[in-house]
Amino acid sequence: ETAVFQTPNYHVTQVGNEVSFNCKQTLGHDTMYWYKQDSKKLLKIMFSYNNKQLIVNETVPRRFSPQSSDKAHLNLRIKSVEPEDSAVYLCASSTGRSNERLFFGHGTKLSVL
Amino acid sequence: GDSVTQTEGQVTVSESKSLIINCTYSTTSIAYPNLFWYVRYPGEGLQLLLKVITAGQKGSSRGFEATYNKETTSFHLQKASVQESDSAVYYCALGGANYGNEKITFGAGTKLTIKP
Repeated sequence: ETAVFQTPNYHVTQVGNEVSFNCKQTLGHDTMYWYKQDSKKLLKIMFSYNNKQLIVNETVPRRFSPQSSDKAHLNLRIKSVEPEDSAVYLCASSTGRSNERLFFGHGTKLSVL
Repeated sequence: GDSVTQTEGQVTVSESKSLIINCTYSTTSIAYPNLFWYVRYPGEGLQLLLKVITAGQKGSSRGFEATYNKETTSFHLQKASVQESDSAVYYCALGGANYGNEKITFGAGTKLTIKP
């Protein structure tokens, strides 16, 4: 049963445009994440938010920014998309405790033309 | 760094036959790795299949098993008799006992197709 909701499912845009993806979880979890799944199918962590505090930010370009209004929501904004941003973006949540299971959304597939 | 290797990108198995999906891991930063299998069924989100946090132990779920082998740094997923409903993409993952989930490293996934 889905408890992490992502919108949109798909998005096609052109280089230089701004896009925003939404994510909401109904599990009452304290921590949310954004992952990028590239063309090689590797899942790479982009951001992690715990109680609205950014707790990890890997080597992600500055045009990416997470936005959270409360612990149930974590949106992802990409300012001025580039072709290499084409990927599937997965949102997830967890209790935040070490190695507790991650709950994922269905993903948002971004295509940059 | 940490890495997880799944050698097969795609596997096709006939229904009722046995299955093994290979996973090996490498870590330079985690003293006590925890190992996971996640699965993504068609039309669903990625979800945890099983988890093993102690070397030498076996985890099981939905007929699948995986044994944490520290000597060979492997965590292969096995099932004795697969069903068509097992068709999915399976991801092996590595985490640390004292690390948050943001440190979990995923493999590239293995797409399993079951032939009727």
